[in-house]
Amino acid sequence: QVQLVQSGAEVKKPGASVKVSCKASGYSFTSNYLHWVRQAPGQGLEWMGIINPIDGTTSYAPKFQGRFTMTRDTSTSTIYMELSSLRSEDTAVYYCARDSWLSSWGQGTLVTVSS
Amino acid sequence: EIVLTQSPDFQSVTPKETVTITCRASQSIANSLHWYQQKPDQSPKLLIKYASQSISGVPSRFSGSGSGTDFTLIINSLEAEDAATYYCHQSSSLPYTFGGGTKVEIK
Repeated sequence: QVQLVQSGAEVKKPGASVKVSCKASGYSFTSNYLHWVRQAPGQGLEWMGIINPIDGTTSYAPKFQGRFTMTRDTSTSTIYMELSSLRSEDTAVYYCARDSWLSSWGQGTLVTVSS
Repeated sequence: EIVLTQSPDFQSVTPKETVTITCRASQSIANSLHWYQQKPDQSPKLLIKYASQSISGVPSRFSGSGSGTDFTLIINSLEAEDAATYYCHQSSSLPYTFGGGTKVEIK
């Protein structure tokens, strides 16, 4: 079955960067776009970006342009997100998800930004 | 950017009642609208894709309708396990966006 397994929780200081991974299995990695979505504590879902696993092309939400990067490694069927210049407002659970209709989701990775 | 406006923000409902949640898009998105259920401390779960297409494994009491700018999620005969927050999401144009969510509480 389709699985998206994310890396573990992170604690970072303001101004630092964080990199989170999402390993896909149970389907052909290059057959579907993959996304990152985040959710701040007690808040709603926020779409961050999309990556084409075939050629690595990306598109990001304007809010994150300039400090957000998505990459992929086809040899390990893994995508990554890196968010830089972290601030307290970036404290959230970060999810990866598959397909334009977000059919499958990772388990979420809590990123805490605190001094 | 397409803005999705959900209503209501919160609904308190007794079991077996019908729940109706609406999602309005700021411009036409055809049928590129999807619905999710999220329970506390869980990842969101896809309920309906492309406005009205059912998803395998999702109970038949969940249904969706609409096109263009106005969409509806209906939960027939609500069960206790349906207590959750529900979100709409559009994949018509980038950047993709979500509605603000509707929290459904069981009385």
